[in-house]
Amino acid sequence: NAGVTQTPKFQVLKTGQSMTLQCAQDMNHEYMSWYRQDPGMGLRLIHYSVGAGITDQGEVPNGYNVSRSTTEDFPLRLLSAAPSQTSVYFCASRSNLATSGGETQYFGPGTRLLVL
Amino acid sequence: DAKTTQPPSMDCAEGRAANLPCNHSTISGNEYVYWYRQIHSQGPQYIIHGLKNNETNEMAALIITDDRKSSTLILPHATLRDTAVYYCIERGGSEKLVFGKGMKLTVNP
Repeated sequence: NAGVTQTPKFQVLKTGQSMTLQCAQDMNHEYMSWYRQDPGMGLRLIHYSVGAGITDQGEVPNGYNVSRSTTEDFPLRLLSAAPSQTSVYFCASRSNLATSGGETQYFGPGTRLLVL
Repeated sequence: DAKTTQPPSMDCAEGRAANLPCNHSTISGNEYVYWYRQIHSQGPQYIIHGLKNNETNEMAALIITDDRKSSTLILPHATLRDTAVYYCIERGGSEKLVFGKGMKLTVNP
C-alpha cells in the first residue's frame, strides 16, 4: 500500500490564483481530513469527510473548498489564494472508528504552499 | 481549541526512559486520550491511545491517572530518532482530532 499520498510536494502561487491540492489513499478508509500547520503551531483542521459524498467544516474552513466523490480521493481547493494561506498542508485518513484499528490516523507527507 | 496542556519542551538522555506528561482536566467519560508525534517536517505519526486503562504497544506505554485528568506517555528507551514534537489529544464522539502546539522532546546523546 502507498498509504496516503499528496501532490504536489511544493507549490508557489500568486495572490488570487487558484489551485487544488490532491490527496489519495489506497486503504479504503472512510474518514479523510485536511490540516494546515503554520510555523510554531500545531495542526489545525480545515475540512473533513466521513465518507464519499459527505464533507464538513473543521476549525479553519474559510478560503477552502472540498469534495469527496470517491472513497480514495479528497482534494482541497483554494479558489483565490491569499498570503495567509501560506502553510504546510497535511491530508490524513483512517477507517471507521467502530472497526479494529480505526483509531489510527495516517498522515500524508505534506504539501508546502507559498502564496506571494 | 485544544483541551490538553503539555509543557512546551523536554530533554531526555539517550537510552533513558522519557516520561511525557499531559493534563486533560476537563476530559469527559467517553473521551479518549491519543498521542501522536511529528518528526521534523513529516506528517504526524500515531503512537497510542487509551480511555481509562493503561495501554502498551511496541512504541510506548500510556499511563492514565484514575481520575483521568492527566496521563503520561512513556518511551522506555529513548533514542535520537525519538526527537520530535509530541501531541496529546482528547477525542470524544466527534470525528475530529484537535491538535494543540504539542511538546518538543529532544533526546540527547
